[in-house]
Amino acid sequence: NAGVMQNPRHLVRRRGQEARLRCSPMKGHSHVYWYRQLPEEGLKFMVYLQKENIIDESGMPKERFSAEFPKEGPSILRIQQVVRGDSAAYFCATAPGSGNTIYFGEGSWLTVV
Amino acid sequence: GQQLNQSPQSMFIQEGEDVSMNCTSSSIFNTWLWYKQDPGEGPVLLIALYKAGELTSNGRLTAQFGITRKDSFLNISASIPSDVGIYFCAGSPSTDSWGKLQFGAGTQVVVTP
Repeated sequence: NAGVMQNPRHLVRRRGQEARLRCSPMKGHSHVYWYRQLPEEGLKFMVYLQKENIIDESGMPKERFSAEFPKEGPSILRIQQVVRGDSAAYFCATAPGSGNTIYFGEGSWLTVV
Repeated sequence: GQQLNQSPQSMFIQEGEDVSMNCTSSSIFNTWLWYKQDPGEGPVLLIALYKAGELTSNGRLTAQFGITRKDSFLNISASIPSDVGIYFCAGSPSTDSWGKLQFGAGTQVVVTP
């Protein structure tokens, strides 16, 4: 998947804990998109970020979810007080610009027990 | 809101047969993309379409961007066992932000020898 690195690949959390998912873009990519995939469904857009800015968070749940893409380091998707319904695969995709095709990472699989 | 309908939901075919799947949208898209996803992996871009009427091939894969901008199809010719996987269509209604995609629910392809 063209160098988009996500970690952890698999994460297990108990209900009420916090989950942090990280995405390191391909070299030269400064645009990051986060998607969520529930079992046996297609991917759904969550949030679009550029360095230090949230551009579009129209797909983010209003509570417990937040995302950042700091000047240095990876983009982070943070889920507070996880519930069973948060169990899903979370993918980030990156691009060098807004008018470019995006490339997906291999995903982080979150399981809430 | 916009809806993206992908069909068929699944296909069971014999090696050597051709495969065809399509997506329709309730409104206009400016970009159509086709991805393949293997279990436990992220989506891998197969073909990207940027103009209405565009017909693009990638090896045994051929995809077209419908003239109405509301549909696209993907054909796989002479299927082989490694074609097994889930194929997703995705589209963007935006003219300048191609990373915010809507995904179909996927077509599961099973190839038997």
